Amino acid sequence: DAGITQSPRHKVTETGTPVTLRCHQTENHRYMYWYRQDPGHGLRLIHYSYGVKDTDKGEVSDGYSVSRSKTEDFLLTLESATSSQTSVYFCAISRDPAYEQYFGPGTRLTVT
Amino acid sequence: AQSVAQPEDQVNVAEGNPLTVKCTYSVSGNPYLFWYVQYPNRGLQFLLKYITGDNLVKGSYGFEAEFNKSQTSFHLKKPSALVSDSALYFCAVRGTSGYSTLTFGKGTMLLVSP
Repeated sequence: DAGITQSPRHKVTETGTPVTLRCHQTENHRYMYWYRQDPGHGLRLIHYSYGVKDTDKGEVSDGYSVSRSKTEDFLLTLESATSSQTSVYFCAISRDPAYEQYFGPGTRLTVT
Repeated sequence: AQSVAQPEDQVNVAEGNPLTVKCTYSVSGNPYLFWYVQYPNRGLQFLLKYITGDNLVKGSYGFEAEFNKSQTSFHLKKPSALVSDSALYFCAVRGTSGYSTLTFGKGTMLLVSP
């Protein structure tokens, strides 16, 4: 696997609590992405970053925010978790938007 | 808007037989096309891509894909399936302009029986 780690790998939280997921890369790639994977939906883009402090929304950004203060770290925050945000979250990186993306191992989030 | 269709939720094939996993796409302009594979409880792994050039693209683990512009298709193929090829396969597309992002299909489960 490319040098991408995600933490935590598993989390159970209650509705209404804030949650932050971390993606860390050692590849020095400029672009970073957060996806969620749900049965029947494939992967859907939540937010992405094209540089430090440069982020933009994806297809399913409502209820999520991101931050990127360093090249290697991309944080995804659920300000107030809801049951509909129960999902598997993947981080990905790429050198360039035209290049392939490399994925982290995923975080399984359950909101009860 | 760009989109990807993987018309089969599941493909079943016997070991040693050829396999095809179908993908059609819609995008403005020329496409960048990708195939990824996901094994249970793992992240997605890149298999191959089409950017430009030869319509037949060869990738990892003996997989190849054929780009067909007139049919807007990018089917994944392998001449002889292995049981270990059983996994979830995703096709993805992006346009060639600006900050266009990847759009994934819903995935096709490939089951290879011994």
